[in-house]
Amino acid sequence: AQSVTQLGSHVSVSEGALVLLRCNYSSSVPPYLFWYVQYPNQGLQLLLKYTSAATLVKGINGFEAEFKKSETSFHLTKPSAHMSDAAEYFCAVTLGFGNEKLTFGTGTRLTIIP
Amino acid sequence: EAGVTQSPTHLIKTRGQQATLRCSPISGHTSVYWYQQALGLGLQFLLWYDEGEERNRGNFPPRFSGRQFPNYSSELNVNALELEDSALYLCASSLEGQGRIQYFGAGTRLSVL
Repeated sequence: AQSVTQLGSHVSVSEGALVLLRCNYSSSVPPYLFWYVQYPNQGLQLLLKYTSAATLVKGINGFEAEFKKSETSFHLTKPSAHMSDAAEYFCAVTLGFGNEKLTFGTGTRLTIIP
Repeated sequence: EAGVTQSPTHLIKTRGQQATLRCSPISGHTSVYWYQQALGLGLQFLLWYDEGEERNRGNFPPRFSGRQFPNYSSELNVNALELEDSALYLCASSLEGQGRIQYFGAGTRLSVL
């Protein structure tokens, strides 16, 4: 079984400040981990994916995430927030090996303060 | 290249009716997934179809069903609609492979009155 916990349902940062969105996972086998972003009235867009090739994963729009097995974490960061980053962010996990469903966290709504 | 397309964008039904939602995957993708995004419940996995077969099903009652056609497009049917079925229904598609990336459509917003 797998699960994802996102700490902080709402996060506010000032424009130009560091963005840190937290994600912890639980998995019985090495997981595949994803971050998706959802803008209002839209579907989900993939930001990045972890597949065990490298612990630091770079994604689109300047986002990156670091896989830490010892902490079972996959936190999302961006050095400098932009107004266009305001959206809802979802961390997700899948086990692969024929079990390809995504299990999502509850999401974090990111607000950017001008 | 066209992404995942879903229709209709919005659907309004009354309690007890049936709803049919449609999804066309990205060209070349053989797997289709359905998720429900209901207010307060987050994103929940509904169904996974691959090569025309149902591969996995989430914790939803049998009145949620679907199918995948030979061209890999898919339908989600919801029978005997209840008020709590009101949600955004998202379809995703993927290629084969471990830890495959799922690409999402914009969704169908179902409102049950």
